[in-house]
This record gives sequence, C-alpha cells and structure tokens, in this order.
Amino acid sequence: DTAVSQTPKYLVTQMGNDKSIKCEQNLGHDTMYWYKQDSKKFLKIMFSYNNKELIINETVPNRFSPKSPDKAHLNLHINSLELGDSAVYFCASSQGAVRGGLSYEQYFGPGTRLTVT
Amino acid sequence: AQRVTQPEKLLSVFKGAPVELKCNYSYSGSPELFWYVQYSRQRLQLLLRHISRESIKGFTADLNKGETSFHLKKPFAQEEDSAMYYCALSPYNTDKLIFGTGTRLQVFP
Repeated sequence: DTAVSQTPKYLVTQMGNDKSIKCEQNLGHDTMYWYKQDSKKFLKIMFSYNNKELIINETVPNRFSPKSPDKAHLNLHINSLELGDSAVYFCASSQGAVRGGLSYEQYFGPGTRLTVT
Repeated sequence: AQRVTQPEKLLSVFKGAPVELKCNYSYSGSPELFWYVQYSRQRLQLLLRHISRESIKGFTADLNKGETSFHLKKPFAQEEDSAMYYCALSPYNTDKLIFGTGTRLQVFP
C-alpha cells in the first residue's frame, strides 16, 4: 500500500552513462515532482508535472529529462552522467497544483541514492 | 529573491527541555510556510503548515510577517522527536516548495 514508490533505491554508475529513475504514486494525485538533495542535505525542486503537463522546470541541465507516461508515473532520465549528479533524488506527489492560491500537501517517496563514479 | 534560512545545522537538547528550531524567509508577497520532518529511515513528511494553525505532536509554529520568521517550537522535547526538520516556503498561487537547508534535532535521554 506504498503511496509514492521509487525504483531503484540505490544506483551506482559511471560517468558518461545514461540512467533512469522511476516514480509511481497510487494516491490518485494529479501532480508529481522531482527534487534533488545534495550532500549537504539541501533539497531543491527540479520539475513538476500536473496531469502529464510540465509545470515547473527549474534551472536544470538539459541532460535531465522528465517523462510522464500517465498521471501516476513520473520518470527521470539522466544523460551523460557527471560526478556532480551524485545525490539523493526524491519524487513527490500532491492532489493538485494549487487551490484558492494555496498549495496542497506533498507526499514524498523514499528517495533514490545516485552515485556517479 | 525567495529564500528560506535555517541558521542551525544541529540542535541538541535533553529530553524534557524546550525546543525552538529557527526559520527565516525572504519573500515579497504572502507566503505559505511549512515544516517538513524526516525521521531516521523514513520519508520526508509534512509536520505542519501555517494556515492550519494546528499543534502536531506538540509542535507549533507561528508565522511572524514582521520578522519574516516561522520558528518551530515544542515546550518539552521527546527522544522520538529526533529527526531532520526542514522549513519550506511556497510562493502564493504556486505549488513550488523552497526548502531551507534543514536542522537536525537530537534529543538526548
């Protein structure tokens, strides 16, 4: 009955490789997000999708491409991995984007620890 | 610029002591403020938000627009409160969350 799940949990790969992280939510939410947490535990939003449409696209290299095949899934594909991409990547979902100007609670996945060697 | 500052990386207290985790923000409009918590080996989860004005697990936080602060307080800390606490801001009419760098709270027996 996991609400937001991510696979894999750990990912170790070499520089230059291409990898994907998958995220699925079974909460019936319309909006999904990707966050990056660096080694200092700083969490920063990367992307958000609402009903499969890209809403937020922060200053992220083009090597990162989110893909939302349906409302329940938001995958993150990373091309030409670099050492600086090593981080924990969190997926999250919420009921919607905003309501009456206010945001909904976001539900987070367990995170994927990516290590680039 | 929109920014959230948590000045303390680590806060250590003994069980039963009062706790205050500081959070200051920079935002020109009317923000929505949150506290998220991550217990050991658990997911990041919402603790409380300023609009609800609730006390969750004994924690409260008051939005002070004059001081642009949203400090998290608890009068008597418990060992199970040990966790990483993140203050976050959402600009009005967006779902974007801007997080602070987090404060690790350690509560000793």
